[in-house]
Amino acid sequence: EADIYQTPRYLVIGTGKKITLECSQTMGHDKMYWYQQDPGMELHLIHYSYGVNSTEKGDLSSESTVSRIRTEHFPLTLESARPSHTSQYLCASSVRAGGAGELFFGEGSRLTVL
Amino acid sequence: QKEVEQNSGPLSVPEGAIASLNCTYSDRGSQSFFWYRQYSGKSPELIMFIYSNGDKEDGRFTAQLNKASQYVSLLIRDSQPSDSATYLCAVSDTGRRALTFGSGTRLQVQP
Repeated sequence: EADIYQTPRYLVIGTGKKITLECSQTMGHDKMYWYQQDPGMELHLIHYSYGVNSTEKGDLSSESTVSRIRTEHFPLTLESARPSHTSQYLCASSVRAGGAGELFFGEGSRLTVL
Repeated sequence: QKEVEQNSGPLSVPEGAIASLNCTYSDRGSQSFFWYRQYSGKSPELIMFIYSNGDKEDGRFTAQLNKASQYVSLLIRDSQPSDSATYLCAVSDTGRRALTFGSGTRLQVQP
């Protein structure tokens, strides 16, 4: 069973607030990802990291930022939240060194911006 | 054209029947194919992966891959109400940074 944790699970905040979604994994995986998913829609990659101090933007443009200071930790930050940021954010990790292999997902953080 | 296409459903089957879920992909360089199951409000969990043409069986699940037709499918035998969920097809190749997901097919198994 995958050991990848996300907090908070649910967050309701007002417009303009700064928020950080936490993601941690205890499997020692180098590769970590953030996906965004609206209800009934596909997952869109917004950020990924191949290791410490390595971060890249994904396919879907996002105003969020990420950091990877430690292998196990990959937080996502929104400096000024807006209603358009309301969505489910899924963190995932992978062990495969080449290409993209099996992803292990956290339980998700559901963000609502009023 | 989306990179990974799935019929959104819902696909409704009676309990005990075979459910057949289909997925097409546009990138001929795709090399790895995954099926994830996602219950409502939950995160995706891996059911199966397949790399080579042909069939791969795991319990009640069979994944089928046809690279020439750019088609991958998932068969669920003896469907149970607990199989009711959205099934996501995901695709990767060696150049990709991460998996590309389809929008999923919602399966309903009726008791």
